[in-house]
Amino acid sequence: ETGVTQTPRHLVMGMTNKKSLKCEQHLGHNAMYWYKQSAKKPLELMFVYNFKEQTENNSVPSRFSPECPNSSHLFLHLHTLQPEDSALYLCASSQGGRGHEQYFGPGTRLTVT
Amino acid sequence: GENVEQHPSTLSVQEGDSAVIKCTYSDSASNYFPWYKQELGKRPQLIIDIRSNVGEKKDQRIAVTLNKTAKHFSLHITETQPEDSAVYFCAASNPQGGSEKLVFGKGTKLTVNP
Repeated sequence: ETGVTQTPRHLVMGMTNKKSLKCEQHLGHNAMYWYKQSAKKPLELMFVYNFKEQTENNSVPSRFSPECPNSSHLFLHLHTLQPEDSALYLCASSQGGRGHEQYFGPGTRLTVT
Repeated sequence: GENVEQHPSTLSVQEGDSAVIKCTYSDSASNYFPWYKQELGKRPQLIIDIRSNVGEKKDQRIAVTLNKTAKHFSLHITETQPEDSAVYFCAASNPQGGSEKLVFGKGTKLTVNP
């Protein structure tokens, strides 16, 4: 599969569970991003990685923990989430630097019960 | 930090009419302004972008204008078609630091009625 892929596509978890979201990009990009998209809010940037280094943490609670082992893979580790964390989590990648198109994955629809 | 306001939140037009979506931004240092289209159940996709050294850019039926002095930019879609129905997001790029930080507007749901 080409472009940006995300797994799983849907996830239901309890507040005491631990789960991870995975993102993989096949575009040779250097930068990867996590966004949260909920019904009543715009796309919210969570984390940015450039060349595997985290360059942005947009005041995200510690129950969300990102990991970027290489430029092609990005994870979001989840633990002790709250119901208000239910949302669509989108991964994106770009060539890096500034002013480059971001390519989005299909997203993971997360429901916290 | 940067703040992006987008209006209207919903827009309904007849097929063939034009549609205009407007955004304002707060940080005068922002220099990159993309527009993304998100169809129902699908991922956002870039449709057009503009940089601060350009006042207008066109791509077939889509155009974007930028007024740096007033800190606003607009998306214009002419001869709208039903397949243009989607949510459109504007964004502004805060150039501080070495990473790309896009701040998005809340989105405009465009409905094109046949």
